[in-house]
Amino acid sequence: NAGVTQTPKFQVLKTGQSMTLQCAQDMNHEYMSWYRQDPGMGLRLIHYSVGAGITDQGEVPNGYNVSRSTTEDFPLRLLSAAPSQTSVYFCASSYSHRWTTEAFFGQGTRLTVV
Amino acid sequence: KQEVTQIPAALSVPEGENLVLNCSFTDSAIYNLQWFRQDPGKGLTSLLLIQSSQREQTSGRLNASLDKSSGRSTLYIAASQPGDSATYLCAVINTGNQFYFGTGTSLTVIP
Repeated sequence: NAGVTQTPKFQVLKTGQSMTLQCAQDMNHEYMSWYRQDPGMGLRLIHYSVGAGITDQGEVPNGYNVSRSTTEDFPLRLLSAAPSQTSVYFCASSYSHRWTTEAFFGQGTRLTVV
Repeated sequence: KQEVTQIPAALSVPEGENLVLNCSFTDSAIYNLQWFRQDPGKGLTSLLLIQSSQREQTSGRLNASLDKSSGRSTLYIAASQPGDSATYLCAVINTGNQFYFGTGTSLTVIP
């Protein structure tokens, strides 16, 4: 059981470049989300999805796009990378049901924008 | 907006000591609360999930309690070991499956 898999683990981008961070889960979870983790600020929610075809914005959505065409995959797109997007990105998944909301996280993608 | 605070931000204890990590939240209308461990450069590992109807959960040397009315949770670690050194994060889960994280407590257990 692979759980939540994120690729790549590390990435360096130049300002203005675009890229997609991949996230896949094999637990048939309805809920998937993306967070960024910055020193002293904790994890902040970027976008989330409660099921295939449904996405919504979190606390810090600007500069990022998401889509959810399948239950398993939830890619995060950086449209035009900026140095402020240098961060560690985590994807998470969980069941949507109230009583089983335990979240499982990927290992993270460390992104540097120069 | 839900605010989650963890105190202390850092803690250093000798091996074998029992310790308590604190988590407080401002909005008591939560579904669940989850404690995580994060090792340097790694992802988050789930430790314990406490449902809103529960008051505590136990796993091995870990015990987490939840008091919704006062907006507090504690993580108790018994007989600490150097391998427990990590950052511990708590997250509250609100309506709509939204997770709100604290900034964590960095724990160092000295051999």
